[in-house]
Order: sequence, then structure tokens, then C-alpha cells
Amino acid sequence: DAKTTQPPSMDCAEGRAANLPCNHSTISGNEYVYWYRQIHSQGPQYIIHGLKNNETNEMASLIITEDRKSSTLILPHATLRDTAVYYCIVRDPDYKLSFGAGTTVTVRA
Amino acid sequence: DGGITQSPKYLFRKEGQNVTLSCEQNLNHDAMYWYRQDPGQGLRLIYYSQIVNDFQKGDIAEGYSVSREKKESFPLTVTSAQKNPTAFYLCASSRLDGYNEQFFGPGTRLTVL
Repeated sequence: DAKTTQPPSMDCAEGRAANLPCNHSTISGNEYVYWYRQIHSQGPQYIIHGLKNNETNEMASLIITEDRKSSTLILPHATLRDTAVYYCIVRDPDYKLSFGAGTTVTVRA
Repeated sequence: DGGITQSPKYLFRKEGQNVTLSCEQNLNHDAMYWYRQDPGQGLRLIYYSQIVNDFQKGDIAEGYSVSREKKESFPLTVTSAQKNPTAFYLCASSRLDGYNEQFFGPGTRLTVL
């Protein structure tokens, strides 16, 4: 299974963009990159996913490098409610997700 | 409302007792999953099922059992063989296609005394 590496924590100012990096250097050509977040004591929430192209939805943007070895999740205007643990995951061909420790994002007023 | 329900939210049991955690979904999803989360850790996959009457072990299946008799339901039994059962248990479901994001329930926090 392809593994991911994320920084353990990062801070962000409210109203600014938050850029969350993720390395997945062993990703295979048909494996998708997924991002989830988990607010304390709740179930994880799906944010976005992509294969090769950049993706955008109402929550975030996902930028995947051309070699697909890394990606960045962008929260365009962080709010206090975006404080959470963010997980970058490479989905295996059997549809399973492997959650690492993620990045704890703290948005400060 | 479509979604996933888990009950109860908090559960207390004495050591040595088996306990069954409920998970129901009305999203018509084929796949269902059980995860365990310990404090400060990510989620670890216990079991998953992609079709009724079939399920597969995840990374930490020892001490757990599941059944999938109906598409909507995927109960998890924590047996007395599980050495450290106190944890936060999360159930999820998904489609089985390119848009198969997993939808999670609110979780059950199990404490074994």
C-alpha cells in the first residue's frame, strides 16, 4: 500500500488560506489521493479526492504534482470551524483507506 | 435523512464480556467498514464488507467478529479475546466505484472496566 507523510501540526490565521502538504512518493498510477478531516470526537468527514488533475469543490482545492508524488490541500479562507485533524490517504485498489496520524490544524483568530 | 447511525454513543462493559456495536446505513451503499481509534492516533481498519454475507479482515481483526446479513447493517462484536477493547469505534459505508468516498457514523466510545 502506498503510504503518506504529513507534518504533525500547523497553525493558520483565520481568514487566510491554509496549505496542507502531503507526500506519497510510492503511489501507483491508478491510486487516488483522498483527504478527510476529523473534528474532535466525531467521525471523519470527506473533503476531496483526485487522481491526476487538480480538483476543487465547495470545501477545498486539491493540487497534485505532475509526478503524483505529492499533493497539497488548500482551504481558501480558513475559519475557526476548520480546526481539525486532516488526513491525506492513498486509496488502495480494494477501496480500503489507511489513515495515518494526519496533520492537526489549528486556526487562530 | 440518509446517513449512518451507530448506537449507543457511549458504552460501558465489564472485562470479560462480549459486546456488540450497532451500525446501520440507509445510503444503499454496498461496502461497510469498521475502524478503531485510540487517543491521538489515526483510524485502523478492523473489518470490511463489500457484499452481503461476505466480509474481510482488516489490519487489526483479532478479538473482533462481524456479520453482514443485510445490506443496511454491519454489527461488530468485541469479544473477550480483545486485549485492549477500550477505544473509539467508527463505522463507515461507501459505494464501490470511482466516487466511493466513505461516509462515517458518529462513533461509539467503548470503555471496558
